[in-house]
Amino acid sequence: GAVVSQHPSWVICKSGTSVKIECRSLDFQATTMFWYRQFPKQSLMLMATSNEGSKATYEQGVEKDKFLINHASLTLSTLTVTSAHPEDSSFYICSASGHSAYSNQPQHFGDGTRLSIL
Amino acid sequence: KQEVTQIPAALSVPEGENLVLNCSFTDSAIYNLQWFRQDPGKGLTSLLLIQSSQREQTSGRLNASLDKSSGRSTLYIAASQPGDSATYLCAVKVKTSYDKVIFGPGTSLSVIP
Repeated sequence: GAVVSQHPSWVICKSGTSVKIECRSLDFQATTMFWYRQFPKQSLMLMATSNEGSKATYEQGVEKDKFLINHASLTLSTLTVTSAHPEDSSFYICSASGHSAYSNQPQHFGDGTRLSIL
Repeated sequence: KQEVTQIPAALSVPEGENLVLNCSFTDSAIYNLQWFRQDPGKGLTSLLLIQSSQREQTSGRLNASLDKSSGRSTLYIAASQPGDSATYLCAVKVKTSYDKVIFGPGTSLSVIP
């Protein structure tokens, strides 16, 4: 069964709206969660890495004030797309991993959120 | 900085053919390599995971190999079927402070009935 749950799976909203996406680890404590973005016919690009209880680390070119990440607990991380515009329309996927002692374990991914901004 | 590439970008084969997808990565400091399948508009399905100390993994008609020293992996699909049509992504988990997973651009496979 799924070990990472992502919600919502699909959202359509008007330009200027802020949208929150949740990522939950279901049966393990996720010390680190990752957020990816995928544009049509392109691969997954890592946006940011979030660690429980600390500020997220953003990849080069990703606006941290645009994409707010909160990782307040070991089972939940949220990505908020603030004042979303049509160019933010994309497929967003989260991933979670446990303690560094399990670094050789497979990475578990949510099913993704398709965001469409009108 | 780790970079992952995949060739070919797209591949079309008749049903029943065997095929090989290629993945290359620039930094051999990895924990493992995973092959994923992605259907249009959907999330990721994990196919095979190869640890850095392993040479290959098999699951049904799929066989993945890893040559860490040369930075290469292949995914072999035997007796392809139309249901195999999808995009195949390889991804490496790098040895960094946060153990990031970096994806290749993918190979789009079409198996023609």
